[in-house]
Amino acid sequence: GAGVSQSPSNKVTEKGKDVELRCDPISGHTALYWYRQSLGQGLEFLIYFQGNSAPDKSGLPSDRFSAERTGGSVSTLTIQRTQQEDSAVYLCASSLVLAQSNEQFFGPGTRLTVL
Amino acid sequence: SQKIEQNSEALNIQEGKTATLTCNYTNYSPAYLQWYRQDPGRGPVFLLLIRENEKEKRKERLKVTFDTTLKQSLFHITASQPADSATYLCALVGSSASKIIFGSGTRLSIRP
Repeated sequence: GAGVSQSPSNKVTEKGKDVELRCDPISGHTALYWYRQSLGQGLEFLIYFQGNSAPDKSGLPSDRFSAERTGGSVSTLTIQRTQQEDSAVYLCASSLVLAQSNEQFFGPGTRLTVL
Repeated sequence: SQKIEQNSEALNIQEGKTATLTCNYTNYSPAYLQWYRQDPGRGPVFLLLIRENEKEKRKERLKVTFDTTLKQSLFHITASQPADSATYLCALVGSSASKIIFGSGTRLSIRP
């Protein structure tokens, strides 16, 4: 595709519900990242994928958060039993390969609001 | 713990002047440092990357410096324009490239 896409663009949910956020990276990009950005804050790294593998899950805020990637392409970030503090913009980015010099291409984000 | 700070939350500059944004870090030895631009409601967009062994990098009206002794990067926009108004983020990339640490950003406003 032309760029990284994310869906939904906005999600409003009730506390305690589960949500699933989707990321479609640029075709051919092997590395994929998830970040969280709270209002007025910087990007908080959550997890990265090299292919379908996520070697380091330590950035996930709690065990309510999980992520997977299938077919080396689409990734989903799942938040179970959502809490109000989960409200934020969730950004996905991809890069051609996992390399230090590679720029990341970001999607527009999913704005999650937990009531 | 690793820490990255950008000099101020907001910076207001008169059109035509040079805007200078600062990124300081501690407890980290990045191999690379990147600068991104973020507009409201959008994801960040990559601008420039500088390696640890480079002192300066330029791209059109943009200039980035990287001082690993001071643990600081400066980001300059010369001949600033209202269209340059946005939030600018610096990001540190370590040796493994698997984790990038972002600063909280500086919101730059260029007034006509």
